Amino acid sequence: QVQLQESGPGLVKPSQTLSLTCSVSGGSISSGNFYWSWIRQPAGKGLEWIGRIHTSGSTKYNPSLKSRVTISVDTSKNQISLKLSSVTAADTAVYYCARNIFSYWYFDLWGRGTLVTVSS
Amino acid sequence: QSVLTQPPSVSAAPGQKVTISCSGSSSNIGNNYVSWYQQLPGTAPKLLIYDDNKRPSGIPDRFSGSKSGTSATLGITGLQTGDEADYYCGTWDNSLSAWVFGGGTKLTVL
Repeated sequence: QVQLQESGPGLVKPSQTLSLTCSVSGGSISSGNFYWSWIRQPAGKGLEWIGRIHTSGSTKYNPSLKSRVTISVDTSKNQISLKLSSVTAADTAVYYCARNIFSYWYFDLWGRGTLVTVSS
Repeated sequence: QSVLTQPPSVSAAPGQKVTISCSGSSSNIGNNYVSWYQQLPGTAPKLLIYDDNKRPSGIPDRFSGSKSGTSATLGITGLQTGDEADYYCGTWDNSLSAWVFGGGTKLTVL
């Protein structure tokens, strides 16, 4: 069965770029018609959608983060990447990757999440 | 502030029923399917309800979803202590062209 696993540095300095990877196992990223999203959750707070990438490579970002976000896909590695630039303490959160099937309006698969702290 | 509005907390005794509301607008709930997610302490969210009222395989029929206009509701019957979790509603917002979530509701089973 398909599983998602987020990874990346747990500590990032203010003003730097946060870089995370979501590794997909148990299936090929390009084998289906999927959207792969990044969603974050600050401690004790709710979920915030960051953006998504389609298997084809087309992207859509949350307008509130659009200027700082880049999501890409590497089909050869079966990975989705997130880059968030110019981070501040407000970007400290658990970051999740999640999948939704094209034309279906829900996230059926989530990774376990990875905590990223922004601090000097 | 979240685009979708949920009560911060609800509580009920074991065996009882509880409902959690999710209020939005015509740009989101009013014109798109709503999904609900259960987040147990220290874990990732898990799909509970999709397409307003459908349950994924493995989700007990104690959990139900409904929608009317620009509001959706999650119902849980026969409450168990294992149901203690945070619950989130989510949907697509046509105006923002983005996924939006409620602020989450913490369920306490007394």
